[in-house]
Amino acid sequence: KQEVTQIPAALSVPEGENLVLNCSFTDSAIYNLQWFRQDPGKGLTSLLLIQSSQREQTSGRLNASLDKSSGRSTLYIAASQPGDSATYLCAVPKGSQGNLIFGKGTKLSVKP
Amino acid sequence: DAMVIQNPRYQVTQFGKPVTLSCSQTLNHNVMYWYQQKSSQAPKLLFHYYDKDFNNEADTPDNFQSRRPNTSFCFLDIRSPGLGDAAMYLCATSRGTGTISGYTFGSGTRLTVV
Repeated sequence: KQEVTQIPAALSVPEGENLVLNCSFTDSAIYNLQWFRQDPGKGLTSLLLIQSSQREQTSGRLNASLDKSSGRSTLYIAASQPGDSATYLCAVPKGSQGNLIFGKGTKLSVKP
Repeated sequence: DAMVIQNPRYQVTQFGKPVTLSCSQTLNHNVMYWYQQKSSQAPKLLFHYYDKDFNNEADTPDNFQSRRPNTSFCFLDIRSPGLGDAAMYLCATSRGTGTISGYTFGSGTRLTVV
């Protein structure tokens, strides 16, 4: 049974700091891994999608890495800003059945 | 821009009064999903449509139903909402099972039951 864990559950950093969010999964036979951002009371915004054959993906100040063999992914945020404050969720598809398995998220607060 | 649109953004309904949430998409994705997300929890899949094929999760209460009249629209019907059904409801789409192109989510509908 696939389980996704995100550590830490919450993180508070001063503006400008570089930070890393962690995601681990128990079954390494994944097709891809997707990172989402969720603002309070809002839906999910896709940040990065990493295919199983890829090692990393970059979008602006965000860089996501994937190590399938160890069951880990990291989301690196460079030069954090108060606008980055949100909950960040990682998710993997459940086999080929189309159900996304989510972690519980990391709530990030960036202080001005 | 191609997107997933959920209406309404906020819905207040009375205990036991049927309510319908709607989702539309302009992505022409063949799979549509409904997730329920309670406060500080991960989203939980209720059901999904793969084209016209309906797939219900084993632990989805019978109180929840869904309709997909065409490729673009999908509805979530809650027949008799209880206080425990208050949550954020998220609609998502994918091309195939999302194993190639990932998933796109709407902005969600926040349901309050009074």
